Amino acid sequence: GQQLNQSPQSMFIQEGEDVSMNCTSSSIFNTWLWYKQEPGEGPVLLIALYKAGELTSNGRLTAQFGITRKDSFLNISASIPSDVGIYFCAGQLGGGSNYKLTFGKGTLLTVNP
Amino acid sequence: EAQVTQNPRYLITVTGKKLTVTCSQNMNHEYMSWYRQDPGLGLRQIYYSMNVEVTDKGDVPEGYKVSRKEKRNFPLILESPSPNQTSLYFCASSFAGTPYGYTFGSGTRLTVV
Repeated sequence: GQQLNQSPQSMFIQEGEDVSMNCTSSSIFNTWLWYKQEPGEGPVLLIALYKAGELTSNGRLTAQFGITRKDSFLNISASIPSDVGIYFCAGQLGGGSNYKLTFGKGTLLTVNP
Repeated sequence: EAQVTQNPRYLITVTGKKLTVTCSQNMNHEYMSWYRQDPGLGLRQIYYSMNVEVTDKGDVPEGYKVSRKEKRNFPLILESPSPNQTSLYFCASSFAGTPYGYTFGSGTRLTVV
């Protein structure tokens, strides 16, 4: 099946620093999504990208849908302690009979105040 | 409040004892799905349902059953649980055809001893 390679696996940064993480795929997706998961909770959608080349922001978060449709990145600017969590990329091929999301393995972000 | 509700949140059971994890959504979503989350493997789809009485296998369906008798409910059934089904389970729902409303429940942590 499709696989997503997400990197880095973990990051330990100082408050105020910028963060960048990315995902690459062996095959194309029609939609890229970025989720954040906090302890004891399910993933929460941060940003959805629907078009190749699309660059979208949500507050301090910026994500891009790669032009080849096989990659995406997420940037977090001026990190704060509440940014701590696991960030997942997910791709959706769409169409057909399954709207399955294929997930990366996650990036664990720790922010040191 | 729009949400996906899973019960129970935590469950410890013994090998072979049938159990059901319930999932209910109040958003009138057609599409519902179950995922399991394991360390180092990310989230993987178990089963999905496009609408009432329409279900199909995801990537890791072995040992699980589902049913969709009503639009709002999508229970996950483990007829004879085994220790390798110890995992964190998430139910998700969305409107068919769009990932934007893809909403996850808070998770069920299952331990099979």
